[in-house]
Amino acid sequence: AQSVSQHNHHVILSEAASLELGCNYSYGGTVNLFWYVQYPGQHLQLLLKYFSGDPLVKGIKGFEAEFIKSKFSFNLRKPSVQWSDTAEYFCAAAWAGFQKLVFGTGTRLLVSP
Amino acid sequence: EPEVTQTPSHQVTQMGQEVILRCVPISNHLYFYWYRQILGQKVEFLVSFYNNEISEKSEIFDDQFSVERPDGSNFTLKIRSTKLEDSAMYFCASRRGGRTFFGQGTRLTVV
Repeated sequence: AQSVSQHNHHVILSEAASLELGCNYSYGGTVNLFWYVQYPGQHLQLLLKYFSGDPLVKGIKGFEAEFIKSKFSFNLRKPSVQWSDTAEYFCAAAWAGFQKLVFGTGTRLLVSP
Repeated sequence: EPEVTQTPSHQVTQMGQEVILRCVPISNHLYFYWYRQILGQKVEFLVSFYNNEISEKSEIFDDQFSVERPDGSNFTLKIRSTKLEDSAMYFCASRRGGRTFFGQGTRLTVV
């Protein structure tokens, strides 16, 4: 079965620290990749997505992610986090035909001021 | 930005009761979904709906679950006889093209 793995379940950083959250997906042919964020008490919001082309994808709020096909990875990065980035981050994938999204278990990020 | 709207935000029900969770997808979207997230677990796909019929469903989506789009705007998820393990956050989503929009979720608590 197709799956998405997120290795970090909880991450605690100080403001201005750099962030990298890992995401790996299983092989299944053509894949579309996403990062969603869920702020406390709010709904899932799309941070960025990769369909094809440049493997370095830039999203909202200074986030970016790099698609590395050989590693089946789509890690999320931000050079300098802010307290307002405290949230849960979900990696998700949709394989050929683009129907359902398969989510990772999520990473809870706490940024201390 | 367009929004997917879900009601109610929180529903408490007794085990064995029927519940209906309601969603208003974005008006020009064609694909509709229900996902759920049990506390502390990952977001799981339940069902997708296109052209007025189910296009895919997961193993979770058994005979106790049903979906319908009765009036062209609302998209509902019905659980016929709730179980304790149905307690979760249920997310409705809609999609047109490559971007899926999620609602804020309905927290269902079965007691």
